[in-house]
Formats: sequence, structure tokens, C-alpha cells
Amino acid sequence: RKEVEQDPGPFNVPEGATVAFNCTYSNSASQSFFWYRQDCRKEPKLLMSVYSSGNEDGRFTAQLNRASQYISLLIRDSKLSDSATYLCVVTWRDTDKLIFGTGTRLQVFP
Amino acid sequence: GAGVSQTPSNKVTEKGKYVELRCDPISGHTALYWYRQSLGQGPEFLIYFQGTGAADDSGLPNDRFFAVRPEGSVSTLKIQRTERGDSAVYLCASSLKGLAGGAGTDTQYFGPGTRLTVL
Repeated sequence: RKEVEQDPGPFNVPEGATVAFNCTYSNSASQSFFWYRQDCRKEPKLLMSVYSSGNEDGRFTAQLNRASQYISLLIRDSKLSDSATYLCVVTWRDTDKLIFGTGTRLQVFP
Repeated sequence: GAGVSQTPSNKVTEKGKYVELRCDPISGHTALYWYRQSLGQGPEFLIYFQGTGAADDSGLPNDRFFAVRPEGSVSTLKIQRTERGDSAVYLCASSLKGLAGGAGTDTQYFGPGTRLTVL
């Protein structure tokens, strides 16, 4: 079983749609949680950190459920520029290495 | 300011050859990481430096892979006797303090990567 699992997609949605991505992680000792965004043939970039209390950044909302070992990302009012791969990332206690899921590909069409 | 830079951007080599990939982190960042990303996969951790020392090399796949950071800044990832399965994008990232700085995980900033193709 992979340490971080995501549905690879692709998710094809029209502009203005709301789309949600989910991710599960296997290590209950996971400490920090993030969503990274990766454009085609580019490097990953931090989109947002994820907290148990939930956090919002504009059209993006992230949520962590430690009991279920589940992380989500909600994108409202999708834009064409949101088309990218969204990577779910965790770290373990006492280590800084990022553990990535395979990524979920989003394609927003006009 | 300048971000993380990596050279070369592309490297094509033949099976069995030796390659070196270079990473220049953001100035002042003490922590440096190497990851490898195969097609359709997320990046996989290889090695992490805190200063000059390798704090965690648990991700290096075998002894053909080696990395150094002699002066605590630039790092070189070295691959001996390359195999076709080594073909991937090699990503470098740096962060301000890393775990040694306490207070949780710093943001890691990634370079554009080196695309390695082994023929």
C-alpha cells in the first residue's frame, strides 16, 4: 500500500465548477500536511498547508481528518488557470522529507 | 531573489555512464533535498542535507547513487553506471532551516529539475 494515495484523475470540469480532491495517508504518525501544485513539466510549488481546523485561501479550502487519515482540497469557481496536477504531501515526525502522492490531474475547460 | 537552480536542465547519457547533477539552493538556506520524479508519479525522496552533512539518505535506491554538499551550499548528485531505470526528473529543493531549526517543517522550494534520459 502506498504511503499517500490519491485518485490520479483526470478530473475534467467546466469553468466555474466546484471540484474536490481527496487523499489518504497510511502512517498515523504523520505530522504535517500540504497540497502542492505542479504544472506540466514544471516543479512542484506549495499551494497551502493543511490543518485539522481547516483552512481557506481564496477559492481553495483544505481540510484534515486525523482520525480517518484523510485530507481534502476543495476548489470553488474553477478557472482555466487552475488546470494542473495537485499533489497531496505529508511529512512524518522527526523528519523533513516530503512524502508525495501520485497527484490528481485537473483540467478546466471553457 | 534567485530561486533554486539546477544544471543541466536536460541530460542524455548512455547506459553504464557516470553523471553529475548540480543544485544551487536559495542563498542562506541550510537544508537541501533531492527527489526523483518518474513519469506519472509524485516526487520520491532521495536524500536530505542539513549544512554539509547528509541527515537522511534513506531514499537513495542503491550504492550507485551518491550526493555531496561540501561547503553547505551547492550540492551534486552523482550516479554511477547509469541504468535505463534511472531515467527521471531529478528535483532539488531547499528550505531555510529544515528540522534542525525546530518549529516544524519549513517550506521547501523546488528547482526546475534535471531531466535525465539514459539510453
